[in-house]
Amino acid sequence: SQTIHQWPATLVQPVGSPLSLECTVEGTSNPNLYWYRQAAGRGLQLLFYSVGIGQISSEVPQNLSASRPQDRQFILSSKKLLLSDSGFYLCAWSGRDTEAFFGQGTRLTVV
Amino acid sequence: AQSVTQLDSQVPVFEEAPVELRCNYSSSVSVYLFWYVQYPNQGLQLLLKYLSGSTLVKGINGFEAEFNKSQTSFHLRKPSVHISDTAEYFCAVSEKVDNTGKLIFGQGTTLQVKP
Repeated sequence: SQTIHQWPATLVQPVGSPLSLECTVEGTSNPNLYWYRQAAGRGLQLLFYSVGIGQISSEVPQNLSASRPQDRQFILSSKKLLLSDSGFYLCAWSGRDTEAFFGQGTRLTVV
Repeated sequence: AQSVTQLDSQVPVFEEAPVELRCNYSSSVSVYLFWYVQYPNQGLQLLLKYLSGSTLVKGINGFEAEFNKSQTSFHLRKPSVHISDTAEYFCAVSEKVDNTGKLIFGQGTTLQVKP
């Protein structure tokens, strides 16, 4: 069966520090991969998606970047965090014409 | 462009009462429709999905939803709720012609089940 792993679960980082969140998927190949952000009391906003290795599409301009170095690995990064980067970050994967499956999320607090 | 509107931000209901969470969408192309549930500090879990076929879709935990193309709605229902159903519920759509599977989410509805 397929599983998705996302870590860390919580993270407190100072303003101006770098960020790296990692997500890996097991039990499937060539998945579509996604990073969503959920701000407090709001819905989910798609940040990045990838349909293949090295293929990254950004949905909104921001302080973050994403990379897909391997087929089932998706990384969210920032060189210098802003206070506004705080939120709940969710990684997800999907096959073709199927629903998305989500990781457990990372609670990022920038202080 | 697609959009999803969840008409109620909060829905309080007593235990064992029926509930309906409303969702309307806007899209110029055919869509797939989903309902997800999120418990505090957790990821999203799929409740049910509409891809094609019967417009009445049954999901996990006794939930069901009906796709109404003319009203562009996909309301979620449960005939009798439990305390454990207290959570955030999200309606989402993706375009059938878009092989990226990108989901557009509504703002969410908080279901508060009271004893």
